[in-house]
Amino acid sequence: GDSVTQMEGPVTLSEEAFLTINCTYTATGYPSLFWYVQYPGEGLQLLLKATKADDKGSNKGFEATYRKETTSFHLEKGSVQVSDSAVYFCALSTSGGSNYKLTFGKGTLLTVNP
Amino acid sequence: DAGITQSPRHKVTETGTPVTLRCHQTENHRYMYWYRQDPGHGLRLIHYSYGVKDTDKGEVSDGYSVSRSKTEDFLLTLESATSSQTSVYFCAINMIEGRRTGELFFGEGSRLTVL
Repeated sequence: GDSVTQMEGPVTLSEEAFLTINCTYTATGYPSLFWYVQYPGEGLQLLLKATKADDKGSNKGFEATYRKETTSFHLEKGSVQVSDSAVYFCALSTSGGSNYKLTFGKGTLLTVNP
Repeated sequence: DAGITQSPRHKVTETGTPVTLRCHQTENHRYMYWYRQDPGHGLRLIHYSYGVKDTDKGEVSDGYSVSRSKTEDFLLTLESATSSQTSVYFCAINMIEGRRTGELFFGEGSRLTVL
């Protein structure tokens, strides 16, 4: 079945460091891929998405490229800020009416220190 | 912005008692979802609804029931709460009305502790 594997956390970085959070997936067909962010005490928010191979999603300085050949959707940011401290979830969706399914990874906690 | 209100936001209850969590949306969207979030498991779908009185099970539906008598309200009920149901519960709707995509808008969550 469909699955999403994220790198284990927690990830601790200093402000202005480069961030990569790895995400790989297993799915039949052609899934859409997403990154969600959850700030402390809040619900999840959609951060970015990509719907087909080689698409790059971007938002708030974060980027991720849909790589079909490596089944990956790694999240990157060139210079993190303390305010980026949160839990990040990778997710995939497969469409198809009653076969629709949305699968989340287990989440990666990011802590950015000043 | 889409509006979802979950209530209660925090609840502590005893094993064996019934619990109902409420999700209220202001967007008149067709699809509504209940997820639970647990450390090491990410988010798992409990139940979802595709219209008034139309609901279906998710991957972890045992011990839960849902009801949707109005478009705007989706209720999650634990008939007899157990300690394994201690969790944070999130309600969500699709960002794009009528389309089941992975773009969801989430409520702020309801933290339930079952003693």
